[in-house]
Amino acid sequence: QSVLTQPPSVSGAPGQTVTISCTGSSSNIGAGCDVHWYQHLPGAAPKLLIYRDTNRPSGVPDRFSGSKSGTSASLAITGVQAEDEADYYCQSCDSSLSGSLFGGGTKLTVL
Amino acid sequence: ELYLVQSGAEVKKPGESLKISCKDSTYSFPNYWIGWVRQVSGKGLEWMGVIYPGDSDTRYSPSFQGQVTISADKSTRTAYLQWYSLKASDSAMYYCARLWGAGGSPKAALERWGQGTLVTVSS
Repeated sequence: QSVLTQPPSVSGAPGQTVTISCTGSSSNIGAGCDVHWYQHLPGAAPKLLIYRDTNRPSGVPDRFSGSKSGTSASLAITGVQAEDEADYYCQSCDSSLSGSLFGGGTKLTVL
Repeated sequence: ELYLVQSGAEVKKPGESLKISCKDSTYSFPNYWIGWVRQVSGKGLEWMGVIYPGDSDTRYSPSFQGQVTISADKSTRTAYLQWYSLKASDSAMYYCARLWGAGGSPKAALERWGQGTLVTVSS
């Protein structure tokens, strides 16, 4: 079980808003570690969606947004589209590590 | 545009050694952390470790410390991931990625990714 906990799966109909949570603790997200989010489509390399909690790299649609509060972070997809069906991962640091770690991943199904 | 180009798929036997590569097409290679990520088939992403080519500062996940070696060659703008004695459990897709921000943190986001190298270890 990962230190960063994500729901194994979420789903939503096209046009709906879907939220994916990433729950940590006082040694990682709650300690001020930045949270980053990735989209991983089958057969492709992962793609950075959100960096440092809330920032979108150039080229990422604005329907993707990130937030953080306390020991948790969330990725919201507003107006989900069929092409958004993929695995999503959060990443953060931890005070016990010199590096970083990923959450367990969440599979998004667009109904 | 593919900024990081990884070496091709490998098929090895248990106990053999292997070194896979990740070449940066830009000249900013020394100034950015490069990380390695593992994905076992059907499983999630695993952060393995990172290296700063400028001074070879290297950080490993406890899960991979002592199991792999990460290195970099500034002259060829190439990062490496190496095993001295492969196990069947090392079979996975391995990605390299450049971290966000020149001279930044080893804990930064993984901004630019290579295409992945599939490693299969089987007798």
